[in-house]
Amino acid sequence: EDQVTQSPEALRLQEGESSSLNCSYTVSGLRGLFWYRQDPGKGPEFLFTLYSAGEEKEKERLKATLTKKESFLHITAPKPEDSATYLCAVQNNFNKFYFGSGTKLNVKP
Amino acid sequence: SAVISQKPSRDICQRGTSLTIQCQVDSQVTMMFWYRQQPGQSLTLIATANQGSEATYESGFVIDKFPISRPNLTFSTLTVSNMSPEDSSIYLCSVEEGRGGYTFGSGTRLTVV
Repeated sequence: EDQVTQSPEALRLQEGESSSLNCSYTVSGLRGLFWYRQDPGKGPEFLFTLYSAGEEKEKERLKATLTKKESFLHITAPKPEDSATYLCAVQNNFNKFYFGSGTKLNVKP
Repeated sequence: SAVISQKPSRDICQRGTSLTIQCQVDSQVTMMFWYRQQPGQSLTLIATANQGSEATYESGFVIDKFPISRPNLTFSTLTVSNMSPEDSSIYLCSVEEGRGGYTFGSGTRLTVV
């Protein structure tokens, strides 16, 4: 069964303290892996799409990587404005989407 | 990227009533997606709406409970019918972007009392 598991559920960091969020997945043919940011009371905001193992993408303090079993979202020197819930989703070859339950990140000044 | 206007942003409804949620996109899109996000949980796809055809519902969701309209390439509605407290959730519409990502509306926070 296709599924996505994100860890940790919650993460508290001090400003400037780098860390990584994990997204483990099992899927019947990966068409794409997506990372989103969701602020309270808002819809998810698209960050990255990764398509194949070994692929990496960067945007400001965020870097997403992909292996055959998991993806990491690395946050370098985070700022309080990076506080949000980060969602991971996979799309299989049948165009079905499966979302993880998210990691709630809190960056304290 | 596409801009989605979703209405209402929130509502409190009595059980047994229905609520219709609207999504307007600023560009023409082939498929629109409707999701539910229950408190503290992840997103679950309700259905995919193509213009000019019946929506395709995911397992566990039925047309009588969640009727969807898709009258043109920029607009869709989702109705939550005969509501119960278990329907309290955030409902989101989404469209596919050409760059491989998906854009979401801001969501409708529904509370059923």
